[in-house]
Amino acid sequence: AQTVTQSQPEMSVQEAETVTLSCTYDTSESNYYLFWYKQPPSRQMILVIRQEAYKQQNATENRFSVNFQKAAKSFSLKISDSQLGDTAMYFCAFMKDFMDSNYQLIWGAGTKLIIKP
Amino acid sequence: EPEVTQTPSHQVTQMGQEVILRCVPISNHLYFYWYRQILGQKVEFLVSFYNNEISEKSEIFDDQFSVERPDGSNFTLKIRSTKLEDSAMYFCASGPPAGLGYGYTFGSGTRLTVV
Repeated sequence: AQTVTQSQPEMSVQEAETVTLSCTYDTSESNYYLFWYKQPPSRQMILVIRQEAYKQQNATENRFSVNFQKAAKSFSLKISDSQLGDTAMYFCAFMKDFMDSNYQLIWGAGTKLIIKP
Repeated sequence: EPEVTQTPSHQVTQMGQEVILRCVPISNHLYFYWYRQILGQKVEFLVSFYNNEISEKSEIFDDQFSVERPDGSNFTLKIRSTKLEDSAMYFCASGPPAGLGYGYTFGSGTRLTVV
């Protein structure tokens, strides 16, 4: 069974700093997808960034980038130039890439990120 | 941008009562999901729905739960006899027929409080 581990329950940084959130996962699959979701106080679940396991290149979305290390089964999220609006829970999630999986998301426990002014 | 719409945003119900949580997925999506998140805990998979039937359900999704797509647009989660431990945020999500690796689109959730 797949598992996703986020070892940092809470982090806080000053506005404009860079912060890295860690995520490790366990799977025997060779192809899969990884996601970071953001959940602000409104509790909406918002997709931040995604990575396909068969792609070597790390995904980037504006100030958000990932460090995907497939052999190490690590998928960290880097937020550059952090903003107050980045304050939220961040969840790492895993999805197997085939129909029989029903494309179910397996979630980490989340990291609470606080950006201080 | 297309959205998944959930109603109500917050529902308070007495223990033992039935509740129906409603979702309107994105119109061309074919995969539908319910997840729940108990306050301060992990997000948990409840059920997936494809081709007008349940494709997978978790052990949480017992006989008290049911889902249906009554009219081809709405997707509902019914809890027949609510318990205190059903208090949680319930998220509906939908995904397109191809490209689920792009991630689903989540609704804004229904906060269910059982008293």
